[in-house]
Amino acid sequence: EPEVTQTPSHQVTQMGQEVILRCVPISNHLYFYWYRQILGQKVEFLVSFYNNEISEKSEIFDDQFSVERPDGSNFTLKIRSTKLEDSAMYFCASSDPRGQETQYFGPGTRLLVL
Amino acid sequence: RKEVEQDPGPFNVPEGATVAFNCTYSNSASQSFFWYRQDCRKEPKLLMSVYSSGNEDGRFTAQLNRASQYISLLIRDSKLSDSATYLCVVPRPTNKLIFGTGTLLAVQP
Repeated sequence: EPEVTQTPSHQVTQMGQEVILRCVPISNHLYFYWYRQILGQKVEFLVSFYNNEISEKSEIFDDQFSVERPDGSNFTLKIRSTKLEDSAMYFCASSDPRGQETQYFGPGTRLLVL
Repeated sequence: RKEVEQDPGPFNVPEGATVAFNCTYSNSASQSFFWYRQDCRKEPKLLMSVYSSGNEDGRFTAQLNRASQYISLLIRDSKLSDSATYLCVVPRPTNKLIFGTGTLLAVQP
């Protein structure tokens, strides 16, 4: 069964450093998303991406965040200058054109900012 | 009123029990709903979709009450492996998913 993959599974970084989280969505999917979940809290939407551009972003997704689809398979989330409060689990998700609402999630990257 | 509200639990039930979770939503225009399951420190996994009055899949039944704006999830004959957090999810028209805080279920042997 096809699945979304994410790397790395864990990332520890110093405050102010840049991090890039990588995702490989399911191959025939065209809609891509990033969500985050701070420990003990609910899953929150960050951004959606379709046709090589951002469709929607939340208020969390400020100028420190960016997304990119650098090639036909990867989808990345970059945080330019990490803050302590960016520590969270980051989930990538994808959906196909026929069932856009049904999103399949990757295993997540646990980011710890020190 | 929060966009999606759930009782956080925990619900502690013995194996074989029937348990039900409720979820309320604020946007009366919402047309579809999802229940996801999340194991500790893992990703949410789709459990059921609800598009009309309800949906049944084996031991799991989801029901929708549009007039009262709530969705329920019923689990019959609970197994130890059902222990997880159950997330009520409402998509916006833009496909952005709005998650509830989740209801924690612990099935005891």
